[in-house]
Amino acid sequence: NAGVTQTPKFQVLKTGQSMTLQCAQDMNHEYMSWYRQDPGMGLRLIHYSVGAGITDQGEVPNGYNVSRSTTEDFPLRLLSAAPSQTSVYFCASSRTGFSGNTIYFGEGSWLTVV
Amino acid sequence: AQKITQTQPGMFVQEKEAVTLDCTYDTSDPSYGLFWYKQPSSGEMIFLIYQGSYDQQNATEGRYSLNFQKARKSANLVISASQLGDSAMYFCAMRTSGSRLTFGEGTQLTVNP
Repeated sequence: NAGVTQTPKFQVLKTGQSMTLQCAQDMNHEYMSWYRQDPGMGLRLIHYSVGAGITDQGEVPNGYNVSRSTTEDFPLRLLSAAPSQTSVYFCASSRTGFSGNTIYFGEGSWLTVV
Repeated sequence: AQKITQTQPGMFVQEKEAVTLDCTYDTSDPSYGLFWYKQPSSGEMIFLIYQGSYDQQNATEGRYSLNFQKARKSANLVISASQLGDSAMYFCAMRTSGSRLTFGEGTQLTVNP
């Protein structure tokens, strides 16, 4: 998807390890967010940000940290990975409010915790 | 709290026929936007169509149209002339003035030849 870059695409972690999923966008979007998608389910919001220095919790924030030091980047940190965090993670960005009726998604990051 | 409900876990349609995927929503915010996304087996999220809560006309994008019934809080996606490539998971989502995007659980559409 144009403009939102997620890395890595695939990752295997051991229980208790920490890691950071990177998300970057080059569209000067204020709004960025992280979702997780478990098999056969919709996307659930983990954390989001409406601008640099501003973050807030979503529906399923436990076990994850975020920061937004620049407009472009919104990394997601897993502090101590657990098997329950095995999922596909999507980063998304858009303008805030309703001026942005298109939300851009990254291609997803497949994370397995063993 | 915002909520999106998709009551059809799976739908089947014959190629070249039309199909309607249901979506109902719940919000107390008067300003909101409704989205439909397609997720093929490869996993990426593909934007299909958008409807704003104050839009007077139903949105259309090629073979996709959104049947927006505000009083019933429904935003059904209609796909006309289904193609084999339309087989995928479809998600309805809603965005309110707080910018958060809430997704439904999705409908798996299978187009049969």
